[in-house]
Amino acid sequence: KNEVEQSPQNLTAQEGEFITINCSYSVGISALHWLQQHPGGGIVSLFMLSSGKKKHGRLIATINIQEKHSSLHITASHPRDSAVYICAADYTGTASKLTFGTGTRLQVTL
Amino acid sequence: NAGVTQTPKFRVLKTGQSMTLLCAQDMNHEYMYWYRQDPGMGLRLIHYSVGEGTTAKGEVPDGYNVSRLKKQNFLLGLESAAPSQTSVYFCASSAKLAGGPGTGELFFGEGSRLTVL
Repeated sequence: KNEVEQSPQNLTAQEGEFITINCSYSVGISALHWLQQHPGGGIVSLFMLSSGKKKHGRLIATINIQEKHSSLHITASHPRDSAVYICAADYTGTASKLTFGTGTRLQVTL
Repeated sequence: NAGVTQTPKFRVLKTGQSMTLLCAQDMNHEYMYWYRQDPGMGLRLIHYSVGEGTTAKGEVPDGYNVSRLKKQNFLLGLESAAPSQTSVYFCASSAKLAGGPGTGELFFGEGSRLTVL
């Protein structure tokens, strides 16, 4: 069964800390998505990657195909980064059926 | 640039009532999706569409119907609402098919919170 597991489920950090959120998946993905959901808000796509690393501002996403693992890093965290971060695996051959993780709830305090 | 717009954003229904959620996108995307989000679970695909006039079942289609009469609109209908359909519903669109070759970035709406009493 194609699954996606995220860790940790909840994360509290102080402003300025370096944050890492992990995502593990099964074999056979064509891409891995990272999404951000603010409380009571919509969902925004952060990254879509199939290999290597991508960077946007203070956010960095990496993927290791051999280890079936992806990480989302936030450098110099800020309270506005507080949100739920969701990874979703794009399994080859499962048309239009992205498999979503349950999310990591991040709270960044002053 | 509105992106993906969902209406209504909140709705309370009684068991057995019907309603329609409307999703509109202004990005000329071919592909549109309806997901539901429940506590402790990942987003689950209800139905999707690969173009105007087409629809297909997702992971949890029972109790829902959809229509895509115009490319920019994707409607989700509940014919006879049940308490198990209490959820937050998200519409999304993409230029390419999500879950297939050449997956594209997904654009989501703000969500519609539905409560069925």
